[in-house]
Amino acid sequence: GQNIDQPTEMTATEGAIVQINCTYQTSGFNGLFWYQQHAGEAPTFLSYNVLDGLEEKGRFSSFLSRSKGYSYLLLKELQMKDSASYLCAPMDSNYQLIWGAGTKLIIKP
Amino acid sequence: GAVVSQHPSWVICKSGTSVKIECRSLDFQATTMFWYRQFPKQSLMLMATSNEGSKATYEQGVEKDKFLINHASLTLSTLTVTSAHPEDSSFYICSATGLAGAMSYEQYFGPGTRLTVT
Repeated sequence: GQNIDQPTEMTATEGAIVQINCTYQTSGFNGLFWYQQHAGEAPTFLSYNVLDGLEEKGRFSSFLSRSKGYSYLLLKELQMKDSASYLCAPMDSNYQLIWGAGTKLIIKP
Repeated sequence: GAVVSQHPSWVICKSGTSVKIECRSLDFQATTMFWYRQFPKQSLMLMATSNEGSKATYEQGVEKDKFLINHASLTLSTLTVTSAHPEDSSFYICSATGLAGAMSYEQYFGPGTRLTVT
């Protein structure tokens, strides 16, 4: 079957760095997306990885290892507004996104 | 670019009535639109995928006669919840794809519609 595994909740301090890990199993693979979702709002796009390696975009970076079925999202210089859920969503062979429950990130002052 | 709107943002209706939710791509042509439902603290659940001009493909367990989807144009899809019941209360989100190039499969999400059935 298809499966996503992320920690349910993480806590970090403002100004610090946090890494959110994601392991996945899908039927085929066409890349992996990370989305941010604030409570009561729709998801917003953060990153897309299709090849192995690190993609950096400002304070956010995303890493992918296809052989390990593993990705992480790295958030630097954390701000209070980064408190949200972070959704790891791989795309299967049918180009369909597979969604997990996401990781709720709590930022403390 | 790549803006998706939804209307209404929230709606309260009585049990047994029908509710229509619109999803529009404002600045691009959406070849495919997706409808999701999300209950509190749960993951997004794909309800159906629709392509312009063809019938929607519903996920297993989603009643197509209850959740009517129409994708009449490349910029508009509608979801009608027929004979709504309190258990249909949820956050309904649409997304769309359609841009050319490497990111053609990126889904752009609408802001969501919160439905409460009393």
